[in-house]
Amino acid sequence: DGGITQSPKYLFRKEGQNVTLSCEQNLNHDAMYWYRQDPGQGLRLIYYSQIVNDFQKGDIAEGYSVSREKKESFPLTVTSAQKNPTAFYLCASSIDTGLAGAYEQFFGPGTRLTVL
Amino acid sequence: AQSVTQPDIHITVSEGASLELRCNYSYGATPYLFWYVQSPGQGLQLLLKYFSGDTLVQGIKGFEAEFKRSQSSFNLRKPSVHWSDAAEYFCGSTGNQFYFGTGTSLTVIP
Repeated sequence: DGGITQSPKYLFRKEGQNVTLSCEQNLNHDAMYWYRQDPGQGLRLIYYSQIVNDFQKGDIAEGYSVSREKKESFPLTVTSAQKNPTAFYLCASSIDTGLAGAYEQFFGPGTRLTVL
Repeated sequence: AQSVTQPDIHITVSEGASLELRCNYSYGATPYLFWYVQSPGQGLQLLLKYFSGDTLVQGIKGFEAEFKRSQSSFNLRKPSVHWSDAAEYFCGSTGNQFYFGTGTSLTVIP
């Protein structure tokens, strides 16, 4: 079955630590995204990538980093510079970013990160 | 600037009653519009989408939405709500970027 997997489902981090959230897709999509979700604030875009080895900052990129070495994978690192990292993180992919067409996004199940 | 607005933060309906969730968009051209549903602790699932053509769009789980250009709206409807429909609903659009509304939380009472 094609889809998006995120791991782990729950992640606990001590203050000052970096953590990496995994996102893998087997949909053969070019574009991938990371969103942060907080209660009452909807989805906020952290980073997106249109193609391998290329990515752009979204609205709230500070304190986060990403890489796109493979088409299937788009890991997100939450660094110690992120002052309030406790949130629900969602990864998504689409055929394209929408710039050239109207492509819906497919979402993974999410990772809940809690800073202790 | 492009944006999506969901005016209702929370809606409560009785099981079996009809439902309408509001979505307004702001975009210079015709946007591509979507509705997603999210159960607690889960990812988002696409309910339906509008690209062009017939302005009344049918989706999964008995949902439909109507695109009204004159009102810049894309409201989601369901004629009879089931308890399993309780969830968070997000409207989204693409133009030069993908935009989501802040969501509407639906509670269904028996």
